[in-house]
Amino acid sequence: ETGVTQTPRHLVMGMTNKKSLKCEQHLGHNAMYWYKQSAKKPLELMFVYSLEERVENNSVPSRFSPECPNSSHLFLHLHTLQPEDSALYLCASSQDWGYEQFFGPGTRLTVL
Amino acid sequence: GQQVMQIPQYQHVQEGEDFTTYCNSSTTLSNIQWYKQRPGGHPVFLIQLVKSGEVKKQKRLTFQFGEAKKNSSLHITATQTTDVGTYFCASNAGNMLTFGGGTRLMVKP
Repeated sequence: ETGVTQTPRHLVMGMTNKKSLKCEQHLGHNAMYWYKQSAKKPLELMFVYSLEERVENNSVPSRFSPECPNSSHLFLHLHTLQPEDSALYLCASSQDWGYEQFFGPGTRLTVL
Repeated sequence: GQQVMQIPQYQHVQEGEDFTTYCNSSTTLSNIQWYKQRPGGHPVFLIQLVKSGEVKKQKRLTFQFGEAKKNSSLHITATQTTDVGTYFCASNAGNMLTFGGGTRLMVKP
């Protein structure tokens, strides 16, 4: 499946580093999402973008900063993360809100 | 906010046995979506139910939406090792798709 791609697939970073996760969807969808998935919690919605506008910020700490330059690309900028931020970060897209979501393979993030 | 609770959290079955996971909410749901996530993989959409009492089938999988639209179930008949994974229900509340905690299915060959 290549509808939604994410890079990098794995990332190890220190708490003082700055890194970015990238997501790209090739499905012509209007909505894109960032989720966090950890062993302790189910899928947690972080951000929702619709037509490049952020429409939902689910009380995410400011050390996570999303960016949506166009409807096909979504970034998650990371800075001064904590070890508890280690998780699988999943990007998804959908035709519009409420429609089925297509997930990317995820970025496995480890914060040391 | 809206929450969907899923039970059981884990289920071990012998290959060939049936399996059911349940999704419950205290509020009326506009719809229910079901996803499957294989070990090491990402969630993959299976189906969406929107009508009260709706039943849909996909081969050995049967999906139901309760009459009151407050619960849903996924039933797998005669499980196979390929059914291994975590099954999530999810429902829309405004802009957000809220996921249940998932049921992790393990199948012993």
